[in-house]
Amino acid sequence: AQSVTQLDSQVPVFEEAPVELRCNYSSSVSVYLFWYVQYPNQGLQLLLKYLSGSTLVKGINGFEAEFNKSQTSFHLRKPSVHISDTAEYFCAVSVSGGGADGLTFGKGTHLIIQP
Amino acid sequence: NAGVTQTPKFQVLKTGQSMTLQCAQDMNHEYMSWYRQDPGMGLRLIHYSVGAGITDQGEVPNGYNVSRSTTEDFPLRLLSAAPSQTSVYFCASTFNRGPGNTIYFGEGSWLTVV
Repeated sequence: AQSVTQLDSQVPVFEEAPVELRCNYSSSVSVYLFWYVQYPNQGLQLLLKYLSGSTLVKGINGFEAEFNKSQTSFHLRKPSVHISDTAEYFCAVSVSGGGADGLTFGKGTHLIIQP
Repeated sequence: NAGVTQTPKFQVLKTGQSMTLQCAQDMNHEYMSWYRQDPGMGLRLIHYSVGAGITDQGEVPNGYNVSRSTTEDFPLRLLSAAPSQTSVYFCASTFNRGPGNTIYFGEGSWLTVV
């Protein structure tokens, strides 16, 4: 079985500052990795995903993440955040590529943007 | 294109009552699933379906039933609601098991059991 650890439950950042949200995973087999964002009172929206190939993955809204197999990490970064980035961010892993039966989520990181 | 539609958005139940959360998708997706989201717990898989007539249990299936009579619909039934089932429920769908396919989530159903 696989597991996901999001190391910070809450990250406060000033507007226009860079941010990194940390995610570590555990699995005995190869995994696919995802970051989702949840805005208040809404469903989850895919930010980006790593399936194979280049370890640096670019997503929507200026976010990117780097897959590090040796450290089993998939940290999410943005060079300059905006107030609109305030949301809950979830890291997820799958061994089946993300089919509806296969996502294991972390507990989430609440990104708080301060003006 | 409506995507994944969940109803109702909000519901209050008394302990022991039954109800059904509805989920419909109009994207002809094979895979559908139900998750519950609790504070500090992330999302946990309740049940999933790989196609019409086929369902299976996820991580936290107890107290919930599902069926998949059509490709479009995947209702979640609470047979006898308990306060521990107070949660936000999300339905999700994806075309098939391939890694390139995006999973689409509904907007959630907030359920309170008193």
